[in-house]
Amino acid sequence: GPKVLQIPSHQIIDMGQMVTLNCDPVSNHLYFYWYKQILGQQMEFLVNFYNGKVMEKSKLFKDQFSVERPDGSYFTLKIQPTALEDSAVYFCASSLGQNAETLYFGSGTRLTVL
Amino acid sequence: AQSVTQPDARVTVSEGASLQLRCKYSYSATPYLFWYVQYPRQGLQLLLKYYSGDPVVQGVNGFEAEFSKSNSSFHLRKASVHWSDSAVYFCAASSGSWQLIFGSGTQLTVMP
Repeated sequence: GPKVLQIPSHQIIDMGQMVTLNCDPVSNHLYFYWYKQILGQQMEFLVNFYNGKVMEKSKLFKDQFSVERPDGSYFTLKIQPTALEDSAVYFCASSLGQNAETLYFGSGTRLTVL
Repeated sequence: AQSVTQPDARVTVSEGASLQLRCKYSYSATPYLFWYVQYPRQGLQLLLKYYSGDPVVQGVNGFEAEFSKSNSSFHLRKASVHWSDSAVYFCAASSGSWQLIFGSGTQLTVMP
């Protein structure tokens, strides 16, 4: 079936540096999402992106976070600068329409901030 | 506040045994309810969903879930588990839009 790809599966970075998490969504999908899961806790919504714009974001989507999908390529989450509390697994998802049942998730990128 | 609770972080069962994974939700109105499974190194996959109607919904691979409004629950069941069912299972809810609220997940281990 359709797949959302997230590479690499693990990134390690020093606090204060910039990191970009990449997501290759399902090719004909129009809506893109990032979720964050701290170890042992719920997966929580970060941001929803459509037609080149952030549609909605949560309180977890700090000013240091940004998303973009330049030229229909990767959907990216950039964190600049990183902080220790940014260590988590970040899941990308995409959907054709704006309803939960059509969401496809990637396998996540584990970000470790040292 | 809206929330989804999975009280069991880890469940271990023997192959061939029956399974129930618990999920409780807290919403002002009945939400849409979902179960997802995550196999190692893969993305979350939708197992089944409930919107309305028959409270018992069937999913893939022999899984089913039962919605209970009185108990605010949506427990996942399987009559006979296989070792390949070992994975992390997430319960999630939505008020009708795309935004999902997830439980913390249950790690299922099936012993041979």
